[in-house]
Amino acid sequence: QKEVEQNSGPLSVPEGAIASLNCTYSDRGSQSFFWYRQYSGKSPELIMFIYSNGDKEDGRFTAQLNKASQYVSLLIRDSQPSDSATYLCAVNVNDYKLSFGAGTTVTVRA
Amino acid sequence: KAGVTQTPRYLIKTRGQQVTLSCSPISGHRSVSWYQQTPGQGLQFLFEYFSETQRNKGNFPGRFSGRQFSNSRSEMNVSTLELGDSALYLCASAALAGTSTDTQYFGPGTRLTVL
Repeated sequence: QKEVEQNSGPLSVPEGAIASLNCTYSDRGSQSFFWYRQYSGKSPELIMFIYSNGDKEDGRFTAQLNKASQYVSLLIRDSQPSDSATYLCAVNVNDYKLSFGAGTTVTVRA
Repeated sequence: KAGVTQTPRYLIKTRGQQVTLSCSPISGHRSVSWYQQTPGQGLQFLFEYFSETQRNKGNFPGRFSGRQFSNSRSEMNVSTLELGDSALYLCASAALAGTSTDTQYFGPGTRLTVL
């Protein structure tokens, strides 16, 4: 079983819609969870991190964490063409190491 | 504040050669992690250094090694290059003393091509 799994893509949404990205993880001891965005040919850039159960909002992005279900999600509201990228879920499995999901590629159609 | 820098940005080597990649973390960051990214395997953890000590290592052969200097700059070395080592090598730095909640910031990466 992979440590971090993301919903398979690609995900295509119309401009202005909500994009919903999901991630599950296998280690119940995981403490921290991150979403990175990676444009083609570029390195990952941090969008959000979340440590506690519940929702965390930052602009058009909302991260949701449910440790009991070992589930973390990212919602992108009012999707823009500039949001077209691959989104990587990362989990701190133990100290000093991040495990990444395979990524979900999002395309926002104008 | 300047971000994470990596040199060189692009590298072409032939099988059997060795290569050294360099990473300078964000000023004040003491933790440096290295990752390999390939289309087939995604982002995979190589190792992490803090205060010149390797604290964690991923599941890579011994041909992959690294070190960290007293100024937190880090290098990774790959010896006896194989075709499968062609990848984007990413360095990430984090501020502090290794709590599990620390956030990692990535450099632009070094694109290594092995012919």
